Amino acid sequence: GAVVSQHPSWVICKSGTSVKIECRSLDFQATTMFWYRQFPKQSLMLMATSNEGSKATYEQGVEKDKFLINHASLTLSTLTVTSAHPEDSSFYICSGLAATYNEQFFGPGTRLTVL
Amino acid sequence: AQSVSQHNHHVILSEAASLELGCNYSYGGTVNLFWYVQYPGQHLQLLLKYFSGDPLVKGIKGFEAEFIKSKFSFNLRKPSVQWSDTAEYFCAVTHNTNAGKSTFGDGTTLTVKP
Repeated sequence: GAVVSQHPSWVICKSGTSVKIECRSLDFQATTMFWYRQFPKQSLMLMATSNEGSKATYEQGVEKDKFLINHASLTLSTLTVTSAHPEDSSFYICSGLAATYNEQFFGPGTRLTVL
Repeated sequence: AQSVSQHNHHVILSEAASLELGCNYSYGGTVNLFWYVQYPGQHLQLLLKYFSGDPLVKGIKGFEAEFIKSKFSFNLRKPSVQWSDTAEYFCAVTHNTNAGKSTFGDGTTLTVKP
């Protein structure tokens, strides 16, 4: 199967700062990447759909100005949490949609802790 | 809006017991169905998927699932679980008109006692 990496795997930041999370498809091109948020013991909640070269599509209730998504190339999407607050602490997971397999491949996730 | 329901939130079994985890979805169109597993501290891995064809799908590690269209269900089964199957299991659905966007169920925590 295809491989997706995320960096960093764990980040701690102070309230009010911004954090950038990278999602890379290592061995396939992902025209579409998805960003999810997972709270402890809960399911994945889709935040946004990221398409290469165009603006991301955000799910209802997700603040696009707070969660900035950039998909500049077919192998890289970034999620920037701006002015992070403790309630933004969560596990953020990305996935890349591999057209060849017609399925998503998930990254290992990034744990964000905002103090 | 489509939704996915997993009826069992926490299942506890002894080794060698049989497993069935329920998954129902609410969408009347053509769907693609997935079961993922998330072992403690690890990322999501695909167990199996159904796009079309034989409604009984076999996946990795001895898991299988049956798509019953009339019941909008895609239950996961394994005849004999092992301690190493202890994990979180997620059912997910996409439909062909939604560009691959998935809706996940709430997940089922499976604990297998040795």
